[in-house]
Formats: sequence, structure tokens, C-alpha cells
Amino acid sequence: GQQVMQIPQYQHVQEGEDFTTYCNSSTTLSNIQWYKQRPGGHPVFLIQLVKSGEVKKQKRLTFQFGEAKKNSSLHITATQTTDVGTYFCADREYGNKLVFGAGTILRVKS
Amino acid sequence: DGGITQSPKYLFRKEGQNVTLSCEQNLNHDAMYWYRQDPGQGLRLIYYSQIVNDFQKGDIAEGYSVSREKKESFPLTVTSAQKNPTAFYLCASSPGVAQHFGDGTRLSIL
Repeated sequence: GQQVMQIPQYQHVQEGEDFTTYCNSSTTLSNIQWYKQRPGGHPVFLIQLVKSGEVKKQKRLTFQFGEAKKNSSLHITATQTTDVGTYFCADREYGNKLVFGAGTILRVKS
Repeated sequence: DGGITQSPKYLFRKEGQNVTLSCEQNLNHDAMYWYRQDPGQGLRLIYYSQIVNDFQKGDIAEGYSVSREKKESFPLTVTSAQKNPTAFYLCASSPGVAQHFGDGTRLSIL
């Protein structure tokens, strides 16, 4: 079935540095959703991207969907300690099923 | 206060025992989902239900069973056939796009 690869697996940044996580697939993605899971918590929906080449911003977070709909990225500008957690991308398939990537763990040093 | 309630928070299973994880939502969502989360992996779909009295297998349904007799409730039974049940189990519901997650149940083997 559909596989969604996410890189890097882990990233440790200094507070104020930027961070990017990438989501890739060998086949065309339907819609991409991004979730954030704080340590010890549950995933929380951030955004959904639908259109080829789409770019959406939420404050310091920028989400992109590739032109070929085979990749997506989440970029955080000037990370803060509140950004720590695991960021997941997920392909939203027929029937509203989600296929999740393995996630990128972000740690921020203050 | 609307939300998704999972219980218990921690659960221990003996060899050969079936255990049931509870998931209740008062968000009036039609769709509900069960995921399994293992360290270093993303969420994997066990079962999902788009409407009362109907449910479908996800990617890793073997050794699990569900029922959906009420809109608010979607219990998951981990049967003795599931040989590696130790994991974090997350229940979610959705009105159509975003999935909303409960706080999870951590299941361990005694």
C-alpha cells in the first residue's frame, strides 16, 4: 500500500534556529495533513494541503505541497522551546483514512 | 466540555487474555478510528468506522476486534491472537477532515 517517508527522524536545534521536516512518497499523494504530538501527548491537527504547489502559513510555520504532489514540507522559523515534539505528515486517502509517516522528533536547546 | 475520552490510561494484559480499550466521544462525529503507535514509528490504522453499525479493517487488524453500536462509542478489543500487543493505542474521531485524538491507552504485557 501507500508508503509515506519522513526525514529526518530526529533533529536537535538551538532555540532561534530554523527547522524543516520533509515528507516524501513514490506515488502521488491525495491530500497531506500535518500533526504535532507533544511529548507524552496525543497528535493535534495542524493543517491540510490539497492543491499542487500549495503553500500555507501559520505564524512561524510554513507548509508546502510539491508541484507533483509527491512531497511536502513543514518549516519552522526561529524555533522556540514550545515547538518541541514529534511532527507527523499523513496522506489522507479514500474514506478519510490516514497513512502516517514515521514522524520527525524536534528538540530545542534553550 | 466536548472531546474524546479513552480509558483506562494504562492497561496490563496477561497471556491468553482479551482486553478491551474504551473510546467515547461527545463531538457528534460520524467517523471514528483506532491507531497503534510504536516507538520510532508513525501511527498505524487498526480499524475505522464511518457510521454506526459499520466498520472496516485497517492495515494491521489481525488480533483486534471492534464494535460500533452507538455513535459515541468505539471500543477496541485486543485478543489473545495479537502476539505483540505492547503499544500506545490512540482513538480518534473526525467530522470530515481533521482527526481529533484522545489521550491514549498504554497497553503492556504482564
